[in-house]
Amino acid sequence: TQLLEQSPQFLSIQEGENLTVYCNSSSVFSSLQWYRQEPGEGPVLLVTVVTGGEVKKLKRLTFQFGDARKDSSLHITAAQPGDTGLYLCAGARREGAQKLVFGQGTRLTINP
Amino acid sequence: EAGVTQSPTHLIKTRGQQATLRCSPISGHTSVYWYQQALGLGLQFLLWYDEGEERNRGNFPPRFSGRQFPNYSSELNVNALELEDSALYLCASSFGRVIGYTFGSGTRLTVV
Repeated sequence: TQLLEQSPQFLSIQEGENLTVYCNSSSVFSSLQWYRQEPGEGPVLLVTVVTGGEVKKLKRLTFQFGDARKDSSLHITAAQPGDTGLYLCAGARREGAQKLVFGQGTRLTINP
Repeated sequence: EAGVTQSPTHLIKTRGQQATLRCSPISGHTSVYWYQQALGLGLQFLLWYDEGEERNRGNFPPRFSGRQFPNYSSELNVNALELEDSALYLCASSFGRVIGYTFGSGTRLTVV
């Protein structure tokens, strides 16, 4: 059983389009992170959200933490080929928890 | 500042052999985490070391073990290798309250 479910698992779109990736759970998390992983590399932290309803923006990427702290979304505006990669959400089950639980990832391909 | 470094980058072993993977955390980080990323799957938590002690262990058999040295570097040992152990093994480090991991580039272990 996957504690964090990401959808879609695969997404292939054209450059310039918008997209949203979802990370859902039936459990409450004290914080959620989003990572991007490129082939042959480890995941790189993009953002951490800690407050229910929190919205963070990173250039064309918008991250939102659900009000109940059970879900999160990543929205990319005007996607570019450089956005291609595996996007992973990860959560800490409780305040101060050291171990993170990861979703299975969304493999995003942006076609020129 | 040097990031998390892992060695070797690639490792090929035959079934039944032992593999040793190494990780050097970011300077000043006392916690080291090991994750397994099998092809097509998300990250599965293996082990967490902090201040030289094993703090938490994921749902893996005892042939997966490790240790943390006084300089906070860490080793992951996998005994009696099986074909399904083939995966990317990622190490991450942190200090204090976890708000996100810094990952190394991983060791690609192939068991033939």
